[in-house]
Amino acid sequence: GAVVSQHPSRVICKSGTSVKIECRSLDFQATTMFWYRQFPKKSLMLMATSNEGSKATYEQGVEKDKFLINHASLTLSTLTVTSAHPEDSSFYICSARDPRNSETQYFGPGTRLLVL
Amino acid sequence: GDSVTQMEGPVTLSEEAFLTINCTYTATGYPSLFWYVQYPGEGLQLLLKATKADDKGSNKGFEATYRKETTSFHLEKGSVQVSDSAVYFCALTPTGGGNKLTFGTGTQLKVEL
Repeated sequence: GAVVSQHPSRVICKSGTSVKIECRSLDFQATTMFWYRQFPKKSLMLMATSNEGSKATYEQGVEKDKFLINHASLTLSTLTVTSAHPEDSSFYICSARDPRNSETQYFGPGTRLLVL
Repeated sequence: GDSVTQMEGPVTLSEEAFLTINCTYTATGYPSLFWYVQYPGEGLQLLLKATKADDKGSNKGFEATYRKETTSFHLEKGSVQVSDSAVYFCALTPTGGGNKLTFGTGTQLKVEL
């Protein structure tokens, strides 16, 4: 099946710094990627939909200036957590929609962010 | 809004036992329903799906039937293996298509010898 990678898998940073997470589709071109956040023992919450070549669409309650999304190519989307704070610590997961099978999203393995 | 409710885990079973993980949903019309599985250290993978009422999705011995009357999509497997140990997520996309997946909280399954 299709493969989506994320980098880094784990990151620890100091409060106030910015962290960039990359999401890549490895064997297909993804015009649409998605960013989720997962809290312990909670479901995945969609943060935003990333569209190649255009602005991301954010879900209600997600600060667009806090979570910057860039989808500069058909195989790469990035999520930057700006001025991170401890409450931003979480598990961030991306997915990419395979245009060959529009109902299916392929998920990355996730990035664990810990803000000290 | 749309929501998905699934049983809390962890569920612990012996190998070859029968598995049921309950999932119910709240949505208007006829959403598409999915089960995703997340093995340790890996991303979520689509396990099976059903797009209309009474459809049965199946894969790797797992199956789930789209029950409109009970708004349910319970996951079942007749004989689990240790390798089935993972977290299972029930999810839906809204009626008429669209990419927005709404997930349940996930159910951890542990299968022991």
